[in-house]
Amino acid sequence: AQSVTQLGSHVSVSEGALVLLRCNYSSSVPPYLFWYVQYPNQGLQLLLKYTSAATLVKGINGFEAEFKKSETSFHLTKPSAHMSDAAEYFCAVSDGTNAGKSTFGDGTTLTVKP
Amino acid sequence: DAGVTQSPTHLIKTRGQHVTLRCSPISGHKSVSWYQQVLGQGPQFIFQYYEKEERGRGNFPDRFSARQFPNYSSELNVNALLLGDSALYLCASNQGPHNYGYTFGSGTRLTVV
Repeated sequence: AQSVTQLGSHVSVSEGALVLLRCNYSSSVPPYLFWYVQYPNQGLQLLLKYTSAATLVKGINGFEAEFKKSETSFHLTKPSAHMSDAAEYFCAVSDGTNAGKSTFGDGTTLTVKP
Repeated sequence: DAGVTQSPTHLIKTRGQHVTLRCSPISGHKSVSWYQQVLGQGPQFIFQYYEKEERGRGNFPDRFSARQFPNYSSELNVNALLLGDSALYLCASNQGPHNYGYTFGSGTRLTVV
């Protein structure tokens, strides 16, 4: 079984500050890991993914995440927050088998203050 | 190119009724997955279909069923609706059966009253 824990359901940062959203996973097999963003009344958009290649993954909109196997973590960061980054962020894990299932965390709402 | 399209965008049903939700994947994508997102939670996996065959099923009752058509579009059916079925239903597509990251539609907001 796989699971995801997102630490902090709400994170607030000032515009220009570092964004750090935390994700820890549990998986009995080498995982594929994903971060998605969801804006109000919309579907989810893939920000970035780790599929067993480079452990530091760069995504869209200046976001990046680092896979740390020893810590079972896949935290999302962005050096400088923009107002447009305000949204809900979901971390997800898949076991990369033929089944397309991803297990999602409960999300972190990011607020960016001017 | 069109993304993943879902219809309808919103609907309201009464307890006990049946509902059908529709999804068209990105052109060239042969895999469709369905997720339920209850307010305040992450999406929960319901089904995956690839090449018209069920490839995965989540922990949902038999009231939930789905199918995929030869053009790779898909329907999700829910019978005997309960108040707890109120949620955003998301469709996601991939080129193949492996999950290298989904492209999601905007979802169907189902309200059961």
